[in-house]
Amino acid sequence: DAGVIQSPRHEVTEMGQEVTLRCKPISGHDYLFWYRQTMMRGLELLIYFNNNVPIDDSGMPEDRFSAKMPNASFSTLKIQPSEPRDSAVYFCASSLRGEGYNEQFFGPGTRLTVL
Amino acid sequence: AQSVTQLDSQVPVFEEAPVELRCNYSSSVSVYLFWYVQYPNQGLQLLLKYLSGSTLVESINGFEAEFNKSQTSFHLRKPSVHISDTAEYFCAVSGRGSTLGRLYFGRGTQLTVWP
Repeated sequence: DAGVIQSPRHEVTEMGQEVTLRCKPISGHDYLFWYRQTMMRGLELLIYFNNNVPIDDSGMPEDRFSAKMPNASFSTLKIQPSEPRDSAVYFCASSLRGEGYNEQFFGPGTRLTVL
Repeated sequence: AQSVTQLDSQVPVFEEAPVELRCNYSSSVSVYLFWYVQYPNQGLQLLLKYLSGSTLVESINGFEAEFNKSQTSFHLRKPSVHISDTAEYFCAVSGRGSTLGRLYFGRGTQLTVWP
């Protein structure tokens, strides 16, 4: 398996622009997680899905952030409008609940810079 | 819910010295425990995990961790570190039998190995 795939790997945008981050989980995995990592706040869980349904979005910082999972093989995290404080590395991870212990597999991340 | 405390944010050591990265968890139920490693500019990778059985678990690159239920700890150790072990290490916990599918991560410990 190719592992969790994220695109783009790097994104540089200007304040106010819309940003869309993409994730393809490992085939067959039924959980998908979006994390944000910064020096100040460390690794934060933003939202996660089970069988394409959002389970907990309490970590989403504000209404400018939204996430969707239209099918089992694709998810997006959108920021509109973007702000400089959104600059971070965003990770997607997936897991298979059937294994019972929730080991997560992480993608390589998207490094977002908002100017 | 569960929580994880990593007591040291940074651990500097010299090459070939032993190291211990501390992790304590809190949970009202039995747990699964994980250590993840993040090398510079990469995603998190699973280093080792405790699911059941022997309380001492090992990784392929010489790290080991011991589950101590009475002390609610899962410290990571290596008897002799290499410069290539320089990375950030995250401890994580999942409730055994949890239907929620998520891991709870610590803030991470930056291990820096000096020549």
